Amino acid sequence: EIVLTQSPGTLSLSPGERATLSCRASQSVSSSYLAWYQQKPGQAPRLLIYGASSRATGIPDRFSGSGSGTDFTLTISRLEPEDFAVYYCQQYGSSLYSFGQGTKLEIK
Amino acid sequence: QITLKESGPTLVKPTQTLTLTCTFSGFSLSTSGVGVGWIRQPPGKALEWLALIYWDDDKRYSPSLKSRLTITKDTSKNQVVLTMTSMDPVDTATYYCARRCQSVTTAYFDYWGQGTLVTVSS
Repeated sequence: EIVLTQSPGTLSLSPGERATLSCRASQSVSSSYLAWYQQKPGQAPRLLIYGASSRATGIPDRFSGSGSGTDFTLTISRLEPEDFAVYYCQQYGSSLYSFGQGTKLEIK
Repeated sequence: QITLKESGPTLVKPTQTLTLTCTFSGFSLSTSGVGVGWIRQPPGKALEWLALIYWDDDKRYSPSLKSRLTITKDTSKNQVVLTMTSMDPVDTATYYCARRCQSVTTAYFDYWGQGTLVTVSS
């Protein structure tokens, strides 16, 4: 079973700054099977990135994903007020799914 | 338009069995590649994948909960049912159902239900 570890646990930044979120896997994950979600309080998660680097429909281009193997990154180039939320990575491997523990992006 | 909605009890007692239903529209669970999964989230905690059923009735379960979970589908009713036995207060969580993307070359959840909060308490 692949375990995903996200860092940092909490990231405090200001609007307009760049955010870099990390997701590390306990074993290699195919890039095709790595996704990122955004979750705001009281809401269901929303798909942001799939296939490690492809933006989902309607996702602004300030969101980008990269990485391969065991290290993946979600970057938000210029933070907007609506971007402050919790972000999760998710992988599929050996017929099983798993999520990371999340990174909370908060306003500094 | 694709929608999913979870339904079931909001309160269950310890040791009871939980049965949740996901009713969906806008897609068919008989279409190749499609799946419907269940994910839960305890209050203030992270998402946890529980189970998934595919269009061909293949079923996958979280290894840590496999012995307690059963997932089934009724394609004619556009429903997926999850049962979880031996409920405990630690199972208190919001339970989401979500559609697995149709592609067989990637795997993510593209549409989610609103979630249903299940509290386990005597």
